Amino acid sequence: GENVEQHPSTLSVQEGDSAVIKCTYSDSASNYFPWYKQELGKRPQLIIDIRSNVGEKKDQRIAVTLNKTAKHFSLHITETQPEDSAVYFCAARASDSWGKLQFGAGTQVVVTP
Amino acid sequence: NAGVMQNPRHLVRRRGQEARLRCSPVKGHSHVYWYRQLPEEGLKFMVYLQKENIIDESGMPKERFSAEFPKEGPSILRIQQVVRGDSAAYFCASSPGQVNTEAFFGQGTRLTVV
Repeated sequence: GENVEQHPSTLSVQEGDSAVIKCTYSDSASNYFPWYKQELGKRPQLIIDIRSNVGEKKDQRIAVTLNKTAKHFSLHITETQPEDSAVYFCAARASDSWGKLQFGAGTQVVVTP
Repeated sequence: NAGVMQNPRHLVRRRGQEARLRCSPVKGHSHVYWYRQLPEEGLKFMVYLQKENIIDESGMPKERFSAEFPKEGPSILRIQQVVRGDSAAYFCASSPGQVNTEAFFGQGTRLTVV
């Protein structure tokens, strides 16, 4: 089955700097890669996703890149703000997995003013 | 347009009792997924259901756990004879299909076993 590794587990950045979180996956059949943001005590919220036919996707200050050959994908947050502080999860879904997501362990991002 | 609704938000059970967690998917969504999140960990897949069918329960513990998604009403995750290790946040997600679709999560039910 799919295995998703996520690094780093914690990330501290100064407000205005960039944050990068990296994930690797094992199942070459995976073709959908969402990123979720979870604030303390709240639900995971989808912030951006990318499909395997695309190498990069951007939405304002957030971008995701995908390298299918190397089986890794990354989340980039530019011009970080204190409200970006949260736990971020990457996930992968294979086309033959009945739609279930395999999540990484999460990255605690702390943006200090 | 209501999102995924889960109740209760918080549930306290004594060891040995039963816990019933409910999930109403987004209107029109026929695919429901349950995930468990242990403290300070990621989400782990438990079970995938469509109306009246369990499609994939590969993440469900072999004993004490069961799930259903009846023709009418919410999806139910049932945990019998709860133990302290069952304490976790249980999230339900729904989607309109399996592929090329986003999964939307509910607010979760935080189960505490005392």
